[in-house]
Amino acid sequence: GEDVEQSLFLSVREGDSSVINCTYTDSSSTYLYWYKQEPGAGLQLLTYIFSNMDMKQDQRLTVLLNKKDKHLSLRIADTQTGDSAIYFCAESISGNTGKLIFGQGTTLQVKP
Amino acid sequence: KAGVTQTPRYLIKTRGQQVTLSCSPISGHRSVSWYQQTPGQGLQFLFEYFSETQRNKGNFPGRFSGRQFSNSRSEMNVSTLELGDSALYLCASSSGTVEETQYFGPGTRLLVL
Repeated sequence: GEDVEQSLFLSVREGDSSVINCTYTDSSSTYLYWYKQEPGAGLQLLTYIFSNMDMKQDQRLTVLLNKKDKHLSLRIADTQTGDSAIYFCAESISGNTGKLIFGQGTTLQVKP
Repeated sequence: KAGVTQTPRYLIKTRGQQVTLSCSPISGHRSVSWYQQTPGQGLQFLFEYFSETQRNKGNFPGRFSGRQFSNSRSEMNVSTLELGDSALYLCASSSGTVEETQYFGPGTRLLVL
């Protein structure tokens, strides 16, 4: 079935690393995405990874994918107060065009 | 390139009315997807349009409909509004190819009284 799960809340200190985790159930995933949503705003694409990759690094962001365990993580290095937001992971499924399946979102709180 | 634009940004309607929301995709993108975001249900897929045809549909009642024009702009219509339709409606555009990275607009916040 189509299901994406995330923990709901993460609190870190400014300057620390943040790791946001996500699990998914559908083995037909093609791409997995991370989006950021700030209050009152739409979704900002942060990064994405093709399902046959293990890792992708983009400046302060590192995405790790364990396809066997259907586990995706987003690491934010040197977390800043401006990183405080809700982070969504999402998957696209082969043959299911235009549809992303989203997790519930993880609220990241960065304390100064 | 300009991003995805949605109009209006805010709407207040009463039960039983209908509403039309508009989405203009990124230039060159041919696919537009619509999502409903609520605190209780999260982000749920409504439908996707590609080259003026509905290509995929989520599990929403027939009161929710959409269309796409030849310039790829899309509209979404909700008829006979219910209180539960209060939500943030997001549209996303993509090239429509296999990779299909979706770029979202700022959303239209609909309040049904």
